[in-house]
Amino acid sequence: KQEVTQIPAALSVPEGENLVLNCSFTDSAIYNLQWFRQDPGKGLTSLLLIQSSQREQTSGRLNASLDKSSGRSTLYIAASQPGDSATYLCAPAGPDSWGKLQFGAGTQVVVTP
Amino acid sequence: DTAVSQTPKYLVTQMGNDKSIKCEQNLGHDTMYWYKQDSKKFLKIMFSYNNKELIINETVPNRFSPKSPDKAHLNLHINSLELGDSAVYFCASSQPDRPYEQYFGPGTRLTVT
Repeated sequence: KQEVTQIPAALSVPEGENLVLNCSFTDSAIYNLQWFRQDPGKGLTSLLLIQSSQREQTSGRLNASLDKSSGRSTLYIAASQPGDSATYLCAPAGPDSWGKLQFGAGTQVVVTP
Repeated sequence: DTAVSQTPKYLVTQMGNDKSIKCEQNLGHDTMYWYKQDSKKFLKIMFSYNNKELIINETVPNRFSPKSPDKAHLNLHINSLELGDSAVYFCASSQPDRPYEQYFGPGTRLTVT
């Protein structure tokens, strides 16, 4: 059974600082891994999807790395902005899960102006 | 245009009641999902339907019954509500050939008193 841990659980930084969010998972036999953003009262939005054969994926100020063998992924957010305040969830997906995403509890991020 | 919508947004009810949560998507997707996010913020899949057929059924009490009248709708009916059912329920949808690219609704916060 896949277990997903995200550290830290909460993070508060001043605007402009870089953010580093960590995700670890126990079963390295994954098909891919996604990072989502969750805003209060809203659904989840997919930020990045890394295939198991990839080492990293980038989108704008966001960069996600994947080390499948060690069961780790890291999300980097450069030059944080107040609009980045949200909860960030990682979700590895196993090869036989057919869309069954396994989520961590998330890291709640607050970026202060 | 709302891609995945849920009604109601908030639902407060007493123990023992029966309630339904509705989900509709206008993305033309064939696959729909129900997730539960508990008080510890863990998001777990409950059910998945592809073209009105049940394909994922996690270990969920049989008081929970999904119903898919057509591809665009997946409703969740809950009988004999218990305190532990209090959570936020999210609906999502995807194309069957891209099951990990899921679009989420805004969630329904269910409170059982």
